[in-house]
This record gives sequence, C-alpha cells and structure tokens, in this order.
Amino acid sequence: GENVEQHPSTLSVQEGDSAVIKCTYSDSASNYFPWYKQELGKRPQLIIDIRSNVGEKKDQRIAVTLNKTAKHFSLHITETQPEDSAVYFCAASKSNTDKLIFGTGTRLQVFP
Amino acid sequence: KAGVTQTPRYLIKTRGQQVTLSCSPISGHRSVSWYQQTPGQGLQFLFEYFSETQRNKGNFPGRFSGRQFSNSRSEMNVSTLELGDSALYLCASSSGLAGEQFFGPGTRLTVL
Repeated sequence: GENVEQHPSTLSVQEGDSAVIKCTYSDSASNYFPWYKQELGKRPQLIIDIRSNVGEKKDQRIAVTLNKTAKHFSLHITETQPEDSAVYFCAASKSNTDKLIFGTGTRLQVFP
Repeated sequence: KAGVTQTPRYLIKTRGQQVTLSCSPISGHRSVSWYQQTPGQGLQFLFEYFSETQRNKGNFPGRFSGRQFSNSRSEMNVSTLELGDSALYLCASSSGLAGEQFFGPGTRLTVL
C-alpha cells in the first residue's frame, strides 16, 4: 500500500545548527515530493518540493535530496533560526493526481 | 490572488448530526483535495475533485462525501457524526496538473 514514514518525530537543535528530517516512501510510482511547514494553529505551507527527475533542490537555507533507488528523501535546514520552529511534514504523490500521502510529521524546536 | 478560503472556520455539532464544509480554491485552480488532520492519525487524504469529477478517494466510510461545482468550489459532507470525526478539515487547491497544492486555513469540527 501507499505509506510514507518520517523520522524523527521530534528534533531539538540550537540556533545556528543544521536540522535533517528523513522520509521513506513505499510506492515506487511516486514522483512528486513536497515538504510542508505547519506552525501552531496555522495551515500547512509548502516550503520546498522535488520531482523524481531531480536529485537535489536548494532554496536559500533549505534543501531537499531524493534517492529514488532507496525511496528516501530528506529535508535539510541550515543555520536554523527560532522562527524555523514548527511541525514539518513530508509527502508523496504520483502523476495525474493531487492525492498526497503524508508522513507523520516532525516537531522541530530551535532554541536561541 | 486571494488564497484558499474555507467556511465555516469553527463548528460544534452533536453525535448523529450532519455537517457541510465549504472550500473556495484559488482563482483558476480546478483541483480541490480534502484532508482530515487529527493528533493521532496525522494528515489523511479524504478525496480529490478535478473539473467536478471525483478523481480519487481515501479510506473513509461512506458517511464522508463531497462534490465540486462548476466554479471549482467544493463542499464536503459528513453524515451521522461520531465523536471520532472531531478534527481539523483542510482543503487544498492546485491547477490539477500534479503541481503545487495550497492549503486553506481549515475548519475545526468538534463533535460532542
């Protein structure tokens, strides 16, 4: 079946350190992998995404890597700031559908 | 462009009642997806509509239904409410071409 595993469930880092969140998907037909950030009481916000024809994508302090063979993808946040504190969700979907299968979320806390 | 809007934002119902939630997508977007978010189950896909047709359905009982109108606005209905239906219901819109999805603020449903 379709499943996305996400680790860790919680992550605490010091301001300025890097944070890495990892996800594994089960459906080899998945080809689109977005990452969402959800602050308390707010809607999920898309922060970065990657498609299966690309191995890595970077946007300022945020990067995502994809290993299609291992069915792994990861979010990397460098130089973390307190405002990066939130719950981060990975997701996966296939062609011809907007159906997203979400990971269970990672609560990131960045301490000043 | 205005973002995705959802009404109502908060709803309190009692067991056995039914409820209708509404979602207005970003102008020009033809796809609307619905998700249920709970602390225990995370973000779970309910259904997806594209050009008034249900394109995909998640693993929820038949009490959960939806529809999409010609202006792309979507509604979801839950009949015979149960305590376990208490959740944040989020809708997301996209162009329908398996691209970025943008979430609305959600409707917080409480079933007493």
